[in-house]
Amino acid sequence: KNQVEQSPQSLIILEGKNCTLQCNYTVSPFSNLRWYKQDTGRGPVSLTIMTFSENTKSNGRYTATLDADTKQSSLHITASQLSDSASYICVSLGGSYIPTFGRGTSLIVHP
Amino acid sequence: ETGVTQTPRHLVMGMTNKKSLKCEQHLGHNAMYWYKQSAKKPLELMFVYSLEERVENNSVPSRFSPECPNSSHLFLHLHTLQPEDSALYLCASSEDVRDRNEQFFGPGTRLTVL
Repeated sequence: KNQVEQSPQSLIILEGKNCTLQCNYTVSPFSNLRWYKQDTGRGPVSLTIMTFSENTKSNGRYTATLDADTKQSSLHITASQLSDSASYICVSLGGSYIPTFGRGTSLIVHP
Repeated sequence: ETGVTQTPRHLVMGMTNKKSLKCEQHLGHNAMYWYKQSAKKPLELMFVYSLEERVENNSVPSRFSPECPNSSHLFLHLHTLQPEDSALYLCASSEDVRDRNEQFFGPGTRLTVL
């Protein structure tokens, strides 16, 4: 059964600090993995997408990594801002083209 | 903005009411989706439409009835809902149904069933 597990479930950090969110997936066959940011009361917005051959991709202060051997991905946020407070969702796509969503990590950035 | 709009943004309804959620995409995409997002749960795929034809129905109760009159519009008709149906309902679109992970989401409709 395809699954995506995210950790931690929630995280509180101070503004300006860095943090790393984790995603473990058991999707097979693997096509790609995407990180979404979802602000409260809004729909998810894509941050990064990585395929099997990519192991790092950046989008501003967001850097995603992918280890296809261990089936793990991480999202690193540098110099956090108050606007980074949101839910971060990891989504993996397999050969059936049906995405498997994680439960998300809720990030709160305090001033 | 993602190019996908949803109305209404908030809806409160009784269990005997009938209401409809509307989604419109301005991206020229051929595939549209309805998702349910409940607290502390992953997004649940409900329906998938490709070129106005339903291609997937994930065992959704019949009290939810989708309609896709054209590739730009998608509706979700609601009737005799239960309190556990309260959730955020998200619409999404993609260029093609084969690109299911390249989806653009609307802002969602927050539904409360009393």
